[in-house]
Order: sequence, then structure tokens, then C-alpha cells
Amino acid sequence: DAGVIQSPRHEVTEMGQEVTLRCKPISGHNSLFWYRQTMMRGLELLIYFNNNVPIDDSGMPEDRFSAKMPNASFSTLKIQPSEPRDSAVYFCASSLSATNEKLFFGSGTQLSVL
Amino acid sequence: GENVEQHPSTLSVQEGDSAVIKCTYSDSASNYFPWYKQELGKRPQLIIDIRSNVGEKKDQRIAVTLNKTAKHFSLHITETQPEDSAVYFCAASRDTGGFKTIFGAGTRLFVKA
Repeated sequence: DAGVIQSPRHEVTEMGQEVTLRCKPISGHNSLFWYRQTMMRGLELLIYFNNNVPIDDSGMPEDRFSAKMPNASFSTLKIQPSEPRDSAVYFCASSLSATNEKLFFGSGTQLSVL
Repeated sequence: GENVEQHPSTLSVQEGDSAVIKCTYSDSASNYFPWYKQELGKRPQLIIDIRSNVGEKKDQRIAVTLNKTAKHFSLHITETQPEDSAVYFCAASRDTGGFKTIFGAGTRLFVKA
């Protein structure tokens, strides 16, 4: 298996633009997580899905952020409109189940909002 | 809310010495404690984990200890090598009342050759 695959690796955009980050979890994994990493706030859980259903989105900072998982092999995190303070590395991770299992992280998307 | 505190934020050791990183957690329902290593520009990767039914676990040069009463756990790296230089994150999670893994702020470990 190729692991968790994220795209794009880098995204540079201007304030106000829509940004869509993509993630393909490891086949057979039932849980998918979106994390944001910054120097100031560390690794923050934004949202997680179990069997394609959003379970906890309490970490989503604002209504500008939305996430979907239309099927077991694909998820998106969308920011609309983007702001400079959204600049961060966004990691997608998957695990076999939502209950205390090892997280496998993707390579991350480095987002810069100018 | 749930919180995981990690210390120190930066640790510098000489090659061959031991390194210890400590974490405390607030949620008494936490029962799974993984440690992740993140090299510069790379993704976090699990290096060792421990569940609440054991007090210690060892894998070659790394070991983790857990004190559930005091709600703290520690990572021990012996015979450190330059390739151990990275940021280490502790985390705590539970499997009741909704899953959530909370990460510590990270410890940047420098191993000097």
C-alpha cells in the first residue's frame, strides 16, 4: 500500500480564494482524520470521520472550513474564503478504527495564504 | 477540556547519552498513549505506544512508562544517535465518549555528535 496520499504537497494562494485539500486513506482503514500543524498551536485535530461519517468536527475553526468524505477512499478539506492565518501544514491521517489505533499520516499539504 | 502537557520543549544531549521526555494528561478516561517522531519536513510517525493495562513497554533503545495514578507517561531513549534528532510528540486518547487523540506540544531533540 502506498500509504495515506495527500494532494497537493504545496499550495500558495491569495486571501479570499477557495482552497481544496485532498486525501486518500489507506485501503481498509475505517477512520480518517484531518489535523492542522502550526508552530504556535502544534497538532490540532480539525475533524474525523468513521466509516465516512463525520463524528467530531469541534476542532474546525470556523464556518469557512468544511470537510467531506463521499466514499471510503477519498476526503476533502475546503477553506472558503481563505485567510493568511490559515497558513499551516494540513495533515490527513487514517487508522483501522476510531478507537485507540495507530495513526498513519500523509505527507501533508503546506498551505500559504498571501 | 482535555489537555496534554509535554516537557521539555527543547532537549539537547550528547551522542550516546539518554533522553527523557515527559507528558501529563488531564482526561482520566484516556487509555492509549502513543509517541510520534517527526523529522524536519516529514510526517509524524509512530515509534512506540502503550495502553493503560501495562506500566512499561520497551522496543530496542526506546521505552515508555505510564503512571495512571499520577496521569503521566514518559519516553526514554537510550544510547542516542544523531538520527534520533527530531520533534517528538506524545498523545493521549480514549475509546469511550467519543474518540479523540490529543497531542502534546512536542519536544525538539538535538543529539550532538
